[in-house]
Amino acid sequence: EVQLLESGGGLEQPGGSLRLSCAASGFSFSNSDMSWVRQAPGKGLEWVSGVTASGGTTYYADSVKGRFTISRDNSKDTLYLQMNSLRAEDTAVYYCVKYSGSGSYRWFDPWGEGTLVTVSS
Amino acid sequence: DIQMTQSPSTLSASVGDRVTITCRASQSISNSLAWYQQKPGKAPKLLIYKASRLESGVPSRFSGSGSGTEFTLTISSLQPDDFATYSCHHYKSYSGTFGQGTKVEIK
Repeated sequence: EVQLLESGGGLEQPGGSLRLSCAASGFSFSNSDMSWVRQAPGKGLEWVSGVTASGGTTYYADSVKGRFTISRDNSKDTLYLQMNSLRAEDTAVYYCVKYSGSGSYRWFDPWGEGTLVTVSS
Repeated sequence: DIQMTQSPSTLSASVGDRVTITCRASQSISNSLAWYQQKPGKAPKLLIYKASRLESGVPSRFSGSGSGTEFTLTISSLQPDDFATYSCHHYKSYSGTFGQGTKVEIK
């Protein structure tokens, strides 16, 4: 069974940093492109960042570019999101997601259960 | 950037009803569209990809259609387990844009 288990969320002050982790199991993590998607309280879903299977290429939403860094450790089957210079508007549940499909056609499946990040003083 | 607009935002329906949710793209996206179901406090679940392809294990009462700028998700006969929020998703390479979601409530 495919499992994605996020951790590392919590309460952080504006300007602070957090690192999220996502432990993957049940599939070939090192051959899978991965992503982070977030959902602010009561709001819709927002794609945040993506990374290729090798970790060699990364992608970011404009809203987090320059502040967040996605990375992975294929020896540990783990995906990361380093979040710096946090803002109140970064408050959300962050989901670890596996890309399905290929080329220009990449939808999200499956999803982890999410970890809540709250940015507040 | 392409914007995705769902309608309605909320839908009240009864068990057994036929339900249709619409998603419109601000410009043509071919069939690069997925639909997800999300229940309160839970992660989204993939229902449909490539606009009309049913994900394995998803009940056949769910169907998707459309191409270009207008897409629909239809539930042919609403079941108690279907009361949830549904979101469309335009995917483009490694990024993507979601609709704001449609909450299906019990009438």
